[in-house]
Amino acid sequence: QSVLTQPPSVSAAPGQKVTISCSGSSSNIGNNYVSWYQQFPGTAPKLLIYENNKRPSGIPDRFSGSKSGTSATLGITGLQTGDEADYYCGTWDSSLSAGVFGGGTKLTVL
Amino acid sequence: QVQLQESGPGLVKPSETLSLTCTVSGDSMITYYWSWIRQPAGKGLQWIGRIYTSGSTNYKSSLKSRVTMSVDTSKNQFSLNLSSVTAADTAVYYCARESVPYCTNGVCPYFDYWGQGILVTVSS
Repeated sequence: QSVLTQPPSVSAAPGQKVTISCSGSSSNIGNNYVSWYQQFPGTAPKLLIYENNKRPSGIPDRFSGSKSGTSATLGITGLQTGDEADYYCGTWDSSLSAGVFGGGTKLTVL
Repeated sequence: QVQLQESGPGLVKPSETLSLTCTVSGDSMITYYWSWIRQPAGKGLQWIGRIYTSGSTNYKSSLKSRVTMSVDTSKNQFSLNLSSVTAADTAVYYCARESVPYCTNGVCPYFDYWGQGILVTVSS
């Protein structure tokens, strides 16, 4: 059971927009910053978003992040078949003094 | 370009100790946290713990009694020991660099570099 809650799967057509939610509590998302990771099968996760809404160099602006209260959202516009992957949110939980992740969301581009 | 590489045995017997090392290249280890994260087959990411270059550690509470991490900055390496393993510890183990910049209004750590991962199977 993950500390952060994500939908198991989302889907959308190529060119469309999709959002992935990540829900937590005041001890994690509510008072700390969220990061997002993209993982293709058989490969290591890759940082997509950090500090809620910042993109590392090389990440296209089709990917965006936001946070409100105890929830965060990853947005992907202009969907491409190459975006099909698992997406994870992560943050620090101040009560647990531990890093925590969501259970992951599988994105299907129909 | 920062690179991380996990190494260690891919097969560990039940009740024994899993030992992995992560070698860091391309940058100094100083001022970062160094983390271990695992992923059982078909499941999500599980944070195991982290170590700062001073030796300060944080461990996942449910693993705390079995986990030990160490760091050797002279070799640009950090290590994970997980004792008394069972089949439930079978997973791909990743090492990762954790950046923790100064942020207002909370803590803002993130994992910006990852190793490729190493599959560790616990079986007799």
